[in-house]
Amino acid sequence: KNQVEQSPQSLIILEGKNCTLQCNYTVSPFSNLRWYKQDTGRGPVSLTIMTFSENTKSNGRYTATLDADTKQSSLHITASQLSDSASYICVVSLPGGSYIPTFGRGTSLIVHP
Amino acid sequence: GEEVAQTPKHLVRGEGQKAKLYCAPIKGHSYVFWYQQVLKNEFKFLISFQNENVFDETGMPKERFSAKCLPNSPCSLEIQATKLEDSAVYFCASSVLAGNEQFFGPGTRLTVL
Repeated sequence: KNQVEQSPQSLIILEGKNCTLQCNYTVSPFSNLRWYKQDTGRGPVSLTIMTFSENTKSNGRYTATLDADTKQSSLHITASQLSDSASYICVVSLPGGSYIPTFGRGTSLIVHP
Repeated sequence: GEEVAQTPKHLVRGEGQKAKLYCAPIKGHSYVFWYQQVLKNEFKFLISFQNENVFDETGMPKERFSAKCLPNSPCSLEIQATKLEDSAVYFCASSVLAGNEQFFGPGTRLTVL
């Protein structure tokens, strides 16, 4: 079982609508939790980063939340745009000497006009 | 450079042939990471370098895979005697320090026929 599980696997929404993507993890504690956006044919780009003690972080229309008790993170996208169509990947990094992040499989988001 | 560069963008090899992928990290970044992404699944860590030294190679297959980061040259990932299951997108990432944000290149799509 993957240590980082994301849902839904895919999501289709209309332009202008909001959506929320989920990430459940078993890695605890962790050094940081990141949400990445991966456009088709491109490498992932970091959207937000949260440490174990933080519970929310915003980057424009993207807001990530973290609940350490339930081991869940969510990424909320407000007023979606066509350019938001991409894969969104939750990545958890272990504390201490391990610098190898654990990746979720991502949620594929399609925004339709 | 300001971005991680990877070449080639696409690589097609017949089964049993050699494949060599290249990565130029962002200037000033001391750490380089290689990942394998099969069929849009989660990223699998392969190997990391601190400058020209191997930092962590726990993800590298014992056979057929090798990697180098030599001074004043792009880093490289080489696969000897490719197999069908090596077909994947190989991403390179670099960071200033091991635990800092990793910046990803666009990836090299390897297709083994």
